[in-house]
Amino acid sequence: EAGVVQSPRYKIIEKKQPVAFWCNPISGHNTLYWYLQNLGQGPELLIRYENEEAVDDSQLPKDRFSAERLKGVDSTLKIQPAELGDSAVYLCASSFGLGGELFFGEGSRLTVL
Amino acid sequence: GQNIDQPTEMTATEGAIVQINCTYQTSGFNGLFWYQQHAGEAPTFLSYNVLDGLEEKGRFSSFLSRSKGYSYLLLKELQMKDSASYLCAVRSPSGGSYIPTFGRGTSLIVHP
Repeated sequence: EAGVVQSPRYKIIEKKQPVAFWCNPISGHNTLYWYLQNLGQGPELLIRYENEEAVDDSQLPKDRFSAERLKGVDSTLKIQPAELGDSAVYLCASSFGLGGELFFGEGSRLTVL
Repeated sequence: GQNIDQPTEMTATEGAIVQINCTYQTSGFNGLFWYQQHAGEAPTFLSYNVLDGLEEKGRFSSFLSRSKGYSYLLLKELQMKDSASYLCAVRSPSGGSYIPTFGRGTSLIVHP
């Protein structure tokens, strides 16, 4: 069974440029999470989806970050414009229902110059 | 608010036993996870505790005391490949659901 797939694995951009990350969760997992992880820190939740509905997006900086999960499967996280402080690893995870363990993708490492 | 505390770094010798502690203060509790994360890789699930007591799974065991807001991960017969970051995550209520909140992780270095 395929795991959580994320792309791109690495992205280097200049500040003020836009960037987008894509996530394909495990088949059948209706809950999808986007986390941000800085070096030496634990993952911090940005947004959680239950099927197509975005819930728990209080930590998402809505002035520059947006996310969508069309048809309740794949999800995209966008940053526009990117700032230097956005350099981090963006992790996508999925779970079956609210009680299941989280399965993580390998992450997308963003470097903003 | 949520507060999850674990040591930043630990070192141990190959073949030894190491205990990684996690203390938490959260508004509500619905389980505690331990994840392992090797450098540059995704976190992978190790264990889940929702009731008090010890859960054993091979070389790894996890303990929970809800009254004390305390958990530990016990790693036996350490191997070099166990060098990784170990993340404690507490699931607590949020907006009608339950969200895992992660600690900053404990970097374990296993040396020969």
